[in-house]
Amino acid sequence: AQSVTQPDARVTVSEGASLQLRCKYSYFGTPYLFWYVQYPRQGLQLLLKYYPGDPVVQGVNGFEAEFSKSNSSFHLRKASVHWSDWAVYFCAVRVNYNQGKLIFGQGTKLSIKP
Amino acid sequence: DTTVKQNPRYKLARVGKPVNLICSQTMNHDTMYWYQKKPNQAPKLLLFYYDKILNREADTFEKFQSSRPNNSFCSLYIGSAGLEYSAMYLCASSPQGRGEQYFGPGTRLTVL
Repeated sequence: AQSVTQPDARVTVSEGASLQLRCKYSYFGTPYLFWYVQYPRQGLQLLLKYYPGDPVVQGVNGFEAEFSKSNSSFHLRKASVHWSDWAVYFCAVRVNYNQGKLIFGQGTKLSIKP
Repeated sequence: DTTVKQNPRYKLARVGKPVNLICSQTMNHDTMYWYQKKPNQAPKLLLFYYDKILNREADTFEKFQSSRPNNSFCSLYIGSAGLEYSAMYLCASSPQGRGEQYFGPGTRLTVL
């Protein structure tokens, strides 16, 4: 079945430290993958997207993600987190090419320690 | 401009009463989506319009209705709200074939 798993419900890191948020997907075929972020009291914003090609994709605000077909993963990384990164992060896979239907993971809540 | 707007931002409804939520976008996207999001859960797709064609998910088929009078507007209609409908409702739009969806700020519905 097509699915997305984010194994860490909560992650806490110190400001200035590096970050990795994990995402595993299950999809038959070539996946199109996305990371979205939800800041408090706001809707979802697109951070970055993977379309088949270079496995490392760059996003906004210094985020990047790496696609691995062998591991069925699409982990999100940032070299140095800022307090403004405090948010919930969602990984998603597109499961219908023509209509763009997405399946989301349950999200990872990121907290920043001063 | 990738703005999707939703009205109202907050909605209070009584059990058994109808609810109508509005979404608009000016990007000329041909597909518009409605998701339901509850705390600590993934956004759940309810339905979407591809141009004028409505597609509803099998497990929410009878609970939600929608209309799209023109390319820019899309509504979500609940005929008789129940307590279980309390959630954030997110509208999104997408250009054909691109896949990435652009989300509005959401409407927080509370049913009492």
